[in-house]
Formats: sequence, structure tokens, C-alpha cells
Amino acid sequence: EVQLVESGGGLVQPGGSLRLSCVGSGFSFDSYWINWVRQAPGKGLEWLASIKEDGTASHYLDSVRGRFIISRDNARNTLFLQMDSVRAEDTAVYYCLGGFYAGYWGQGVLVTVSS
Amino acid sequence: QAVVTQEPSLTVSPGGTVTLTCGSSTGAVTSGHSAFWFQQKPGQAPRTLIYETNIKFSWTPARLSGSLLGDKAALTLSSAQPEDEADYYCLLHFSGIWVFGGGTKLTVL
Repeated sequence: EVQLVESGGGLVQPGGSLRLSCVGSGFSFDSYWINWVRQAPGKGLEWLASIKEDGTASHYLDSVRGRFIISRDNARNTLFLQMDSVRAEDTAVYYCLGGFYAGYWGQGVLVTVSS
Repeated sequence: QAVVTQEPSLTVSPGGTVTLTCGSSTGAVTSGHSAFWFQQKPGQAPRTLIYETNIKFSWTPARLSGSLLGDKAALTLSSAQPEDEADYYCLLHFSGIWVFGGGTKLTVL
């Protein structure tokens, strides 16, 4: 069974940092690009970033470039999102999305930015 | 970055047919945009239905189909069922950057 499981969410103060993780299983994790997507409360989906199979290339949404860094450790089948200088508008459920033609989603992890 | 547009809401009768569309602020949507379609029900993670404009996953209901319609990507639902009531999102690719549409809330009524 293919699974993507996110962790690392929680409450963080504005200007603070948080690191999200996503562990994949049941598929060849190192064979696919993988993405981070978020959904603010009551809002639509927003693509944030993607990273190549071997980690040598990545792309970002303009509003998070320079604050968020996507990375991966294929030896541990794990995707990361380092979130720095967070803002209230970063409050959302964060999903990883990957596998064969982005067919698989994690269950999501909630990040709340508040003082 | 490009803006991707979808109908905010649509209603279909049970057993009826409805088409959701996905447009781009940069011009016509083509196969090069590798359109995806996703379904999300309340309180659940999204589910991927269609990739590369019109290719289904094994779990995608046969009554759903993707296509290019005019200058947009389209998702057509035939023989609508109550369980098809959900939010539907398209996703387009622009040279490494992916952009979601705002979503369509589909009501089966």
C-alpha cells in the first residue's frame, strides 16, 4: 500500500521556523518528483514547491521562495520542508503529493502561525 | 505567475452530465500544461483523478473523463451520483511551476 505520512506541524510564532517531514512507503520514493501543497482554512489548494527525484533541482511558488526550502533524503524515503520567517498567512494544512504522476497524497499536517 | 480559473460552483442533477473547466491567464491550455484534476470531500485529503489531461488512475470512476475543450482543460462527469458531490481542483504546469485553480464546488441536487 502506498503511503505518504507528514509530521512536524504545530503552533509556531510569527517569524519562527518549523520543519515538516513526509515519509513515503509502498513505492519507489526516489523515482519521482515530489511536492508540497497547502490549504489554508476554508480555502483552496496551493502548490508550494517540488523537488526532482535525485534532489538536484527544485521549484518554488514566488511567495515562499527564500523562506521555505524543500529537500529530500532518499535513503530514508523522506521529504522535508524547512519553513523560516513564517507569517500568519502560512497557517494551513500542509500536504505532500507524489508518486506516479502525483497520484498520492499524505493525510496532511496542520501548521498554525500565531503569537 | 499564471492564474488558473475554474467555475466557483456548479450544480448537476443525479444522473445528469456536467463539465468543469480550467483556464489559464496565459492563453489556451494545451497538452503541454499536463493538466491534473483532483477531488476533495469535506474533512479529507484530496484525491488525484486525472493526469496528463485525460489519463485516469485505476481508482478514477469511469463516469469521469478529462479533455481539452476549446482553450481550456475540462473534466466531464456523466451519470452524476450523490457521492460525486465535492470540490474539484485542476492543476496546470508552467515550466516547472504548478498552479492550482481556485476549485469548483460541485453540488449533486
